Amino acid sequence: EDKVVQSPLSLVVHEGDTVTLNCSYEVTNFRSLLWYKQEKKAPTFLFMLTSSGIEKKSGRLSSILDKKELFSILNITATQTGDSAVYLCAVIASGSRLTFGEGTQLTVNP
Amino acid sequence: NAGVMQNPRHLVRRRGQEARLRCSPMKGHSHVYWYRQLPEEGLKFMVYLQKENIIDESGMPKERFSAEFPKEGPSILRIQQVVRGDSAAYFCASSPGRQQMNTEAFFGQGTRLTVV
Repeated sequence: EDKVVQSPLSLVVHEGDTVTLNCSYEVTNFRSLLWYKQEKKAPTFLFMLTSSGIEKKSGRLSSILDKKELFSILNITATQTGDSAVYLCAVIASGSRLTFGEGTQLTVNP
Repeated sequence: NAGVMQNPRHLVRRRGQEARLRCSPMKGHSHVYWYRQLPEEGLKFMVYLQKENIIDESGMPKERFSAEFPKEGPSILRIQQVVRGDSAAYFCASSPGRQQMNTEAFFGQGTRLTVV
């Protein structure tokens, strides 16, 4: 059975801190890994990673995939209170469905 | 260009009633996925459909749950004889098609089902 594990489950930081969220996976026929941000409603898409070692960036957020070690990290620099959310990692493997991790609850305090 | 549209946003049902959740995919998307998020948990895959066809229903409970995506109209997730444990947020996502399996899925705002 496909498995996605995120850590930590919960993280509390102060504004301005840098955070690293982790996602490891064990799946058959890996295709892509995706990161989403969820703030009390629908998950909003952040990144999709397919190739190893290529960093994707969007403002203060960046992510990279290591297909050899089967993990990805999501970095957020200079965090703001608006970054407070659950960050979800998901993998597309066999078929087209997404297998999600449990999420990391990030709280950024002023 | 509207995104994935789900309705209703909130649905309250008494135990034993039926719940119908609707999902209209993004324009040009022919593939729909349903996910369930129980309180304090991650999203769990339920079913994957394309028009008039169920591709993968391995995440769907065997009883009381069914899904369809007719040729015309939205995809429907139907839960018969709801129980308290069905209370959850149900999200729908769509993608362009099977040949583009590496495309990110776009999510609707979800339907929050509460069974009282």
